[in-house]
Amino acid sequence: EPEVTQTPSHQVTQMGQEVILRCVPISNHLYFYWYRQILGQKVEFLVSFYNNEISEKSEIFDDQFSVERPDGSNFTLKIRSTKLEDSAMYFCASSVKGLPYNEQFFGPGTRLTVL
Amino acid sequence: QKEVEQNSGPLSVPEGAIASLNCTYSDRGSQSFFWYRQYSGKSPELIMFIYSNGDKEDGRFTAQLNKASQYVSLLIRDSQPSDSATYLCASPGGYNKLIFGAGTRLAVHP
Repeated sequence: EPEVTQTPSHQVTQMGQEVILRCVPISNHLYFYWYRQILGQKVEFLVSFYNNEISEKSEIFDDQFSVERPDGSNFTLKIRSTKLEDSAMYFCASSVKGLPYNEQFFGPGTRLTVL
Repeated sequence: QKEVEQNSGPLSVPEGAIASLNCTYSDRGSQSFFWYRQYSGKSPELIMFIYSNGDKEDGRFTAQLNKASQYVSLLIRDSQPSDSATYLCASPGGYNKLIFGAGTRLAVHP
């Protein structure tokens, strides 16, 4: 069964460093998303991406964040200068079409630890 | 601000019993709801989604939607210890994002 994959599974970085989190969405999916979950808190939406552009972003997704689809399979989230409060699980998700009637499938996540 | 509310639990049920998980939502215009299961330290795994009033069944799982009362529930029949997890209710906040509840922790004891 096709699934979303993410690398790395765990990333440790120093405050102020840049990180890139990578995702390979399900191959026939056209909509891509990043969510994050701080330990013990809700899953929060960061950004959605369709047709090579951002379709929506949350207040969390400020100028320090960017997304890119550099080729036909990868979808990346870059954090330019990490802060302690960026420590969280980051989930990539994809769907065939958009909401409200299409399911989003989540990858296994990348645990980001900022020291 | 659209919100999805869930009782954090834990909900403790004996093995073989029916577990009933509930979710209420603030946006009367919400058109669909998604139930995800999340094991500790893992990602959300889609169980079911529902968009019509009434019941939708899939194996041991039944989702129930009542738009007039603005609640959606998930019933798990014949609960197993492997069902012990946090169950997340989510609803679209537009065409591009899901809004998640805080989740209800379910503990199924032998």
